[in-house]
Amino acid sequence: EPEVTQTPSHQVTQMGQEVILRCVPISNHLYFYWYRQILGQKVEFLVSFYNNEISEKSEIFDDQFSVERPDGSNFTLKIRSTKLEDSAMYFCASGAGGPNQPQHFGDGTRLSIL
Amino acid sequence: AQSVTQLDSHVSVSEGTPVLLRCNYSSSYSPSLFWYVQHPNKGLQLLLKYTSAATLVKGINGFEAEFKKSETSFHLTKPSAHMSDAAEYFCVVSDSGGYQKVTFGTGTKLQVIP
Repeated sequence: EPEVTQTPSHQVTQMGQEVILRCVPISNHLYFYWYRQILGQKVEFLVSFYNNEISEKSEIFDDQFSVERPDGSNFTLKIRSTKLEDSAMYFCASGAGGPNQPQHFGDGTRLSIL
Repeated sequence: AQSVTQLDSHVSVSEGTPVLLRCNYSSSYSPSLFWYVQHPNKGLQLLLKYTSAATLVKGINGFEAEFKKSETSFHLTKPSAHMSDAAEYFCVVSDSGGYQKVTFGTGTKLQVIP
């Protein structure tokens, strides 16, 4: 069964550094998402992406964040200048779109900011 | 607007006994509802989905859920718990057809006692 894959599984970065989290969605999916889960807290929506542009974003997704689909297969989340509070598990998801289609999630990238 | 409430943060059952994980939702439109499971250090796996067809939905690993509009509930059940069911379970709602952002509940940790 096709899967969403995320790399790396764990990223350790110094505060203030840029970090790029990578995702390969399921190949025939059209809708792409990033979520984060701070340790012990609920999963929070960050951004959705469709037709090469952001379709919706949460208030968490400020100017430090950006997303890109550079080559038709990868979907990346960039955090420009990381802060300690960016430490979390980041999940990528993709969906076929249309009514009633569930999102399929990757295993996540654990981001640790030192 | 949409929201979801998982009434129990922790549920503990003995192996072989029934499981009930409770979820109530709020939605402006006809919702799509999902249950996901997260095993430790793993991603989110879809258990089952409700998308306005049958109100009793069967999922993987023997789980099922019943959509009750009058009670705005979508509780997850399993007749007999197995040790491998120990995980965190998330109830998720989408009232835009599941192709835009979804809203997660806070999760219920299921402990299975041998």
